[in-house]
Amino acid sequence: GQNIDQPTEMTATEGAIVQINCTYQTSGFNGLFWYQQHAGEAPTFLSYNVLDGLEEKGRFSSFLSRSKGYSYLLLKELQMKDSASYLCAVGRNTGFQKLVFGTGTRLLVSP
Amino acid sequence: EADIYQTPRYLVIGTGKKITLECSQTMGHDKMYWYQQDPGMELHLIHYSYGVNSTEKGDLSSESTVSRIRTEHFPLTLESARPSHTSQYLCASSERGGPYNEQFFGPGTRLTVL
Repeated sequence: GQNIDQPTEMTATEGAIVQINCTYQTSGFNGLFWYQQHAGEAPTFLSYNVLDGLEEKGRFSSFLSRSKGYSYLLLKELQMKDSASYLCAVGRNTGFQKLVFGTGTRLLVSP
Repeated sequence: EADIYQTPRYLVIGTGKKITLECSQTMGHDKMYWYQQDPGMELHLIHYSYGVNSTEKGDLSSESTVSRIRTEHFPLTLESARPSHTSQYLCASSERGGPYNEQFFGPGTRLTVL
């Protein structure tokens, strides 16, 4: 089976840096995705890692260690609009590329 | 900008009614998916499709059914709605091929069965 763990909630202040961790156990690993989901809205793609290391994209960076089954999403220069849930999803290649989602981390950014 | 649409956005319906949730995408994607998400919980894959005339059950058992007669259209049907079907249903699509398979999500349908 697969198991994805991430913290339920985090809080941070505007302008700060926050790191959201995700650990996973899965077979057929084929990449790790981060999505952002505002309340009542659809998830939107943030990042994808398939090789170990850091991927940077503007204020957001994502890191992957396949040997440790570990990823994190780093958000810099936090803005109020970053208040959302951040979903860690593992890609599994079982003949069909599927995504298995964690429960998400609800981030609250305060002034 | 992803072009994937779902209707209705919100639906409140009585027990026993038959309902169809619509999903359409204009990106020409072969793969399409249906997820179910309860508040504060993870998305669960309930159906997926490789392409026209292909449908498969997902990881979470669901009493719903799907069809894929056209590439752009992937409707989900509940023959007899029950309160346990109350949830948010999200449709997604992605391109065929390659390991990198970003999924584009529709806005979702929030279903309440009374």
